Amino acid sequence: EVQLLESGGGLVQPGGSLRLSCAASGFTFINYAMSWVRQAPGKGLEWVSLISGSGSDTYYAQSVKGRFTISRDKANNTLYLQMNSLRVEDTGVYYCAKGLHRIYFDYWGLGILVSVSS
Amino acid sequence: QSALTQPASVSGSPGQSITISCTGSSSDVGSYNLVSWYQQHPDKAPKLIIYEVTKRPSGVSNRFSGSKSGNTASLTLSGLQAEDEADYYCCSYAGPNAYLVFGGGTKVTVL
Repeated sequence: EVQLLESGGGLVQPGGSLRLSCAASGFTFINYAMSWVRQAPGKGLEWVSLISGSGSDTYYAQSVKGRFTISRDKANNTLYLQMNSLRVEDTGVYYCAKGLHRIYFDYWGLGILVSVSS
Repeated sequence: QSALTQPASVSGSPGQSITISCTGSSSDVGSYNLVSWYQQHPDKAPKLIIYEVTKRPSGVSNRFSGSKSGNTASLTLSGLQAEDEADYYCCSYAGPNAYLVFGGGTKVTVL
């Protein structure tokens, strides 16, 4: 059974940093691209970032480019999102998602809340 | 990259069919057959219901179907049921720079 479990969220001040983790199990981690998708309170979904199965290719939404870094640890089957220079508008629930044919998200975690506020 | 345009809400009676549109541009929906749809119930993670415009993942009801014409993709829900009441989001590949873009979401209400 595929499971994705996010951790590392919380409250941070504007300009601060957080690192999200997503522990994956139930599938061969290195064979699949992974993404982060976020949802601001009461708003729609926004794709944030994608990393290929090998980790060699990464992609970012324009809204986070230069501030966020996606990475993966194949030894520990874990996906990461390093978030720097956080802004109030980065507040929301962040989902980790497994890629189907890279760009479709066939399994999702439960999500983790990130709140950016002074 | 602007979000894809979806109607804010669509409603229908049980047993009816409804269609949700997703309008993009020649940079995304119009150029690639790489559109997906997600269903999200309140306080739940989204669920993939359509990918590559028309394909259904294993286990997804055949009451869901997808199509595309020009810059607009569509999701049709047939035989509407109470459990279909949820938010629905389209998503499209948008080229190597923007990469992926979601629609703003459509709330489906079963009357």
